[in-house]
Amino acid sequence: DAGVIQSPRHEVTEMGQEVTLRCKPISGHNSLFWYRQTMMRGLELLIYFNNNVPIDDSGMPEDRFSAKMPNASFSTLKIQPSEPRDSAVYFCASSPDRGKETQYFGPGTRLLVL
Amino acid sequence: AQTVTQSQPEMSVQEAETVTLSCTYDTSESDYYLFWYKQPPSRQMILVIRQEAYKQQNATENRFSVNFQKAAKSFSLKISDSQLGDAAMYFCAYNRYRDDKIIFGKGTRLHILP
Repeated sequence: DAGVIQSPRHEVTEMGQEVTLRCKPISGHNSLFWYRQTMMRGLELLIYFNNNVPIDDSGMPEDRFSAKMPNASFSTLKIQPSEPRDSAVYFCASSPDRGKETQYFGPGTRLLVL
Repeated sequence: AQTVTQSQPEMSVQEAETVTLSCTYDTSESDYYLFWYKQPPSRQMILVIRQEAYKQQNATENRFSVNFQKAAKSFSLKISDSQLGDAAMYFCAYNRYRDDKIIFGKGTRLHILP
């Protein structure tokens, strides 16, 4: 299996620009998670989906962030407009089902907003 | 609310020696899962080991083993015969049964001294 795929791996953009991060979960996995990692705040769960439906988006920082999962094999995390404080590594993870299953992480997208 | 505490921000160990990373957690639940994830410089989050709370036997994966003390809410990771490739940030994590969310500790950075 190819594992969780994220793109791009690195993104540098200017403040105010729209940023779209993409994720392809492992085939057959029903749950998908978006995390953000910074030195100051550690690893934070932003939002997660089960069977393509958003279950909990309480970790999304503000309205500038939005996430979609149009089908079982694709999800996006969008930041519009981006700000320097959004600079972080964004991880996507998937798991076979809810609850007890292990989450498998993608390689992450390193975002730098200038 | 559940919390995960890793009290050692950094540790060092001589190559080929054994090291133990500490983790404590707080929960009122009886059914849950505990994990150790490894994050090397590549930033990829890699599952090292997983423990189900209902199992009394400590989980083991090759050179990695845990000491799970349910009453004390302690979940330490022991790495035997440390290798240079073990150098990474290690995250302890908790997942309540039937809950999608994983709660991560702040991490322990492990250095391997040649």
